[in-house]
Amino acid sequence: NAGVTQTPKFQVLKTGQSMTLQCAQDMNHNSMYWYRQDPGMGLRLIYYSASEGTTDKGEVPNGYNVSRLNKREFSLRLESAAPSQTSVYFCASSEGSLRSPLHFGNGTRLTVT
Amino acid sequence: KQEVTQIPAALSVPEGENLVLNCSFTDSAIYNLQWFRQDPGKGLTSLLLIQSSQREQTSGRLNASLDKSSGRSTLYIAASQPGDSATYLCAVFYNTDKLIFGTGTRLQVFP
Repeated sequence: NAGVTQTPKFQVLKTGQSMTLQCAQDMNHNSMYWYRQDPGMGLRLIYYSASEGTTDKGEVPNGYNVSRLNKREFSLRLESAAPSQTSVYFCASSEGSLRSPLHFGNGTRLTVT
Repeated sequence: KQEVTQIPAALSVPEGENLVLNCSFTDSAIYNLQWFRQDPGKGLTSLLLIQSSQREQTSGRLNASLDKSSGRSTLYIAASQPGDSATYLCAVFYNTDKLIFGTGTRLQVFP
């Protein structure tokens, strides 16, 4: 049982380049989330999808877009990468809302130069 | 402002010790609190979830307590092992529908 799978694991971008981070879960969860983790700041919510077909902004959505492709997949897109977006990105899923236990992927380490 | 603080930021102990990790939160209007473990280069693994109506939860050598009135939760690890070495994070789900993470306690258990 794979759980939450993220690709790629590592990525280096130049300022202004674009890329999409992929996330898929095989637990039939309704809700999916994108977080970023920065030293000394804890995890911060970028976007979430409470159910298939819906997406909402989190705490730090600027510079990002998301797509809930189907129940399994939730992608995060950086249209024009900036050095401030250098971070570790985590995808998570849960059965219901944030009140339910979260299941995390192993993360994508992104560096923007 | 709703904040979650974890003290200490880092902890190094010899194998076999019983230890306590602390999590404090500024707003007592919480729905639940979760404890996670994060290994280097990995995602977070959920350890325990305590509902606001509960006082503690146990799983194996782990016991988490919750005191809403004082804004504190503790994670107790009994008979620590080198395999327990990781970063431990707490996250508080507030009634405002916000999940706030602490910055974690980095634990090293040496043989």
